[in-house]
Amino acid sequence: GENVEQHPSTLSVQEGDSAVIKCTYSDSASNYFPWYKQELGKRPQLIIDIRSNVGEKKDQRIAVTLNKTAKHFSLHITETQPEDSAVYFCAASLGSARQLTFGSGTQLTVLP
Amino acid sequence: DADVTQTPRNRITKTGKRIMLECSQTKGHDRMYWYRQDPGLGLRLIYYSFDVKDINKGEISDGYSVSRQAQAKFSLSLESAIPNQTALYFCATSDPGRGQGYTFGSGTRLTVV
Repeated sequence: GENVEQHPSTLSVQEGDSAVIKCTYSDSASNYFPWYKQELGKRPQLIIDIRSNVGEKKDQRIAVTLNKTAKHFSLHITETQPEDSAVYFCAASLGSARQLTFGSGTQLTVLP
Repeated sequence: DADVTQTPRNRITKTGKRIMLECSQTKGHDRMYWYRQDPGLGLRLIYYSFDVKDINKGEISDGYSVSRQAQAKFSLSLESAIPNQTALYFCATSDPGRGQGYTFGSGTRLTVV
């Protein structure tokens, strides 16, 4: 089955700096790669996603890049703010089955 | 988001007891999922259902069972709870026709003592 590895497990940045979280996946048939943000005590919420036919996608301060050859994808947050502090999960969806396999999560802390 | 509702929100139970976690949704999605979240392990899939007559085991189904009573309801049971089933449990729904993203419920924090 699919395996998704996520790094780093914790990340601290100064407010205004950029943050990058990286994930690798094992199954080359995976075609959908979402990112979820989970604030303390709340449910995970989708913040951005990318499909395998696209190399990069942006939405304001967040962007995701995908390298199919290397089987890795990354989340980029620019101009970080304290409200960006949360746990971020990457995930990958295997072909027709389409259930998501999640990475282990990254605790991002933005220091004021 | 009240579209996916989980009950109870918190539960403490004793080892060996049977417990049911319930999930209902008003999104009209066919696909429903149960995940558990443990610190450092992310979200791991327990069971999933693509429609009322379709139930599939996930990565960590041992010790759990599910019931899809209707399109809108998907229950998770622990037949005989054990302490290492202490975790945060999330139900989720999706509709591939409208994108593959999940909508999660608020979660159930289960403690087995």
